[in-house]
Amino acid sequence: SQELEQSPQSLIVQEGKNLTINCTSSKTLYGLYWYKQKYGEGLIFLMMLQKGGEEKSHEKITAKLDEKKQQSSLHITASQPSHAGIYLCGAGSYDKIIFGKGTRLHILP
Amino acid sequence: EAQVTQNPRYLITVTGKKLTVTCSQNMNHEYMSWYRQDPGLGLRQIYYSMNVEVTDKGDVPEGYKVSRKEKRNFPLILESPSPNQTSLYFCASSFGGSYQPQHFGDGTRLSIL
Repeated sequence: SQELEQSPQSLIVQEGKNLTINCTSSKTLYGLYWYKQKYGEGLIFLMMLQKGGEEKSHEKITAKLDEKKQQSSLHITASQPSHAGIYLCGAGSYDKIIFGKGTRLHILP
Repeated sequence: EAQVTQNPRYLITVTGKKLTVTCSQNMNHEYMSWYRQDPGLGLRQIYYSMNVEVTDKGDVPEGYKVSRKEKRNFPLILESPSPNQTSLYFCASSFGGSYQPQHFGDGTRLSIL
């Protein structure tokens, strides 16, 4: 079965610094989405990537899908306290949906 | 406003007492699913439904039941809850199935004593 592995599990960065979160799939991805979750709350959809080499940006967050469609990265530029939370990657796997275990991001003022 | 609504948001109950967590969406989505989120294990799919009267098991279906009698509703039923079902539960829906972004509810925090 397909699995998504996220790294790092946890990240602490100084406000204003850049950071990257990775998501690696055991099989080819046919759609990879990124979500953000505030602690204990619902998931908010950020971006979806479908094509190899695709890159999307929203405000200071950029997500990329590699050419082989097995790895995605989420990059935050000039981090702010509002970026703190849990970031999850997810993907469809036939009719099911799988998620990585998430990356906890803490922003130090 | 497009939304997925779960009820209750919080529930503390005892082992063996049947309970139902409701989920309703107002976006006319075909695909609906339930997840549980546990520390260290992440978000895991319990059951999903491709459309009315079509449901199937996700990765962790044991101890749960679902039904899809109407397109908008997808209740999660715990016939005989046990402490290992204490978790944070999410319902989600999408228009295009599992390969489209999911719209999530706000979650239900369930504690089984």
